[in-house]
Amino acid sequence: DIVMTQSPDSLAVSLGERATINCKSSQSILNNSNNKNHLAWYQQKPGQPPKLLIYWASTRESGVPDRFSGSGSETDFTLTISSLQAEDVGVYYCQQYYTSPSYTFGQGTKLEIK
Amino acid sequence: EVQLVESGGGLVKPGGSLRLSCAASGFTFSSYFMNWVRQAPGKGLEWVSSIGGSSDFIYYADSVKGRFTISRDNAKNSLYLQMNSLRGEDTAIYYCARDAYLDGPSWFDPWGQGTLVTVSS
Repeated sequence: DIVMTQSPDSLAVSLGERATINCKSSQSILNNSNNKNHLAWYQQKPGQPPKLLIYWASTRESGVPDRFSGSGSETDFTLTISSLQAEDVGVYYCQQYYTSPSYTFGQGTKLEIK
Repeated sequence: EVQLVESGGGLVKPGGSLRLSCAASGFTFSSYFMNWVRQAPGKGLEWVSSIGGSSDFIYYADSVKGRFTISRDNAKNSLYLQMNSLRGEDTAIYYCARDAYLDGPSWFDPWGQGTLVTVSS
């Protein structure tokens, strides 16, 4: 199985500042046939299901604020929140869907306000 | 509006059984792969099982293989998870989630609100 490792496990950022979460896969999740990275990012708030933010590593889901962006390729990926808002507090997960259907998630990164 | 609503969770003793259901609406249910994902209390997300639109493809995580059975009824727009030989480590919120992409391996969107399964004596 592909192992997804996120860093850091937790992060405290001041309002208006940039937040960066990293996700590393144990093998490349770049599909050479379509040149797309099979990586998604989700946000989960307490008591709620995960909410899709980003897919194909960098495509923002409709309705997601443009302060959220995804980048990276092959094994190293980043979720960036350009200017942290209070409502962005939660746990963020990356997920690979390269080895479908044996999907795997990162362990999660807890984002808090400093 | 696309919606997924799980039901059937509850408290069950070790070795017991439970059947979860997920009612889907707002989309052509039979066209999509559907999935179960679970989250143990205070822990991360774990994919459990997937089923193709025609029940033609069925997959399980190693942790539940041989104990859990996924199924669907396209006439009722419903997804199921039959859970047998339950263990303490199966305690989790179980989410129903739809594949978002029809043309290959996919991320999950949307997700249901989840149903809590507690395995304890």
